[in-house]
Amino acid sequence: AQTVTQSQPEMSVQEAETVTLSCTYDTSESDYYLFWYKQPPSRQMILVIRQEAYKQQNATENRFSVNFQKAAKSFSLKISDSQLGDAAMYFCAYMAGANNLFFGTGTRLTVIP
Amino acid sequence: ETGVTQTPRHLVMGMTNKKSLKCEQHLGHNAMYWYKQSAKKPLELMFVYSLEERVENNSVPSRFSPECPNSSHLFLHLHTLQPEDSALYLCASSQDRLFRLTDTQYFGPGTRLTVL
Repeated sequence: AQTVTQSQPEMSVQEAETVTLSCTYDTSESDYYLFWYKQPPSRQMILVIRQEAYKQQNATENRFSVNFQKAAKSFSLKISDSQLGDAAMYFCAYMAGANNLFFGTGTRLTVIP
Repeated sequence: ETGVTQTPRHLVMGMTNKKSLKCEQHLGHNAMYWYKQSAKKPLELMFVYSLEERVENNSVPSRFSPECPNSSHLFLHLHTLQPEDSALYLCASSQDRLFRLTDTQYFGPGTRLTVL
């Protein structure tokens, strides 16, 4: 069974600093997709970044980047130059097709001014 | 309106009531999803519709009944719910280009449901 583990229930970062959120997953598939979603207090889940497992290059979206280690089944999210608006719950998700989408339990990120 | 919208945003109902949750997507997508989000638990996929046909229901209790009249609208009909059904219900949509449901999902703001 596929599972997604986020071992950090809560994290905090000083404004303008860098923080890394960890995620590991378990799968026997070779072709799959990984996502980081952000859920601010308003509750709308927003896609942060997406990574295709067949791509070796780590995905990057502005201040957000991932460290995808396929062999280790690790998919961490790095947020650079943290801003107050980055405060939210962050969910790591794994998808292997045909509506096979699994989420982790989330990491609550606090940004300290 | 843009994106994925859900109404109502908050709902309180008794165990004998019948209510419906509504989701509408304005993204031109052809797949829609219902999720349940409970505190400290991962999101649980409840139902998937691709091209208005139900693909998955993940053994959801029959007191939850989905309806997808067209690719832009999705409903979740609720009846005789239990207090443990209280949760945030999220709707999502995606553009299922390859009919494998692997495209990125975009979420609505959710309906906070409380069952008394």
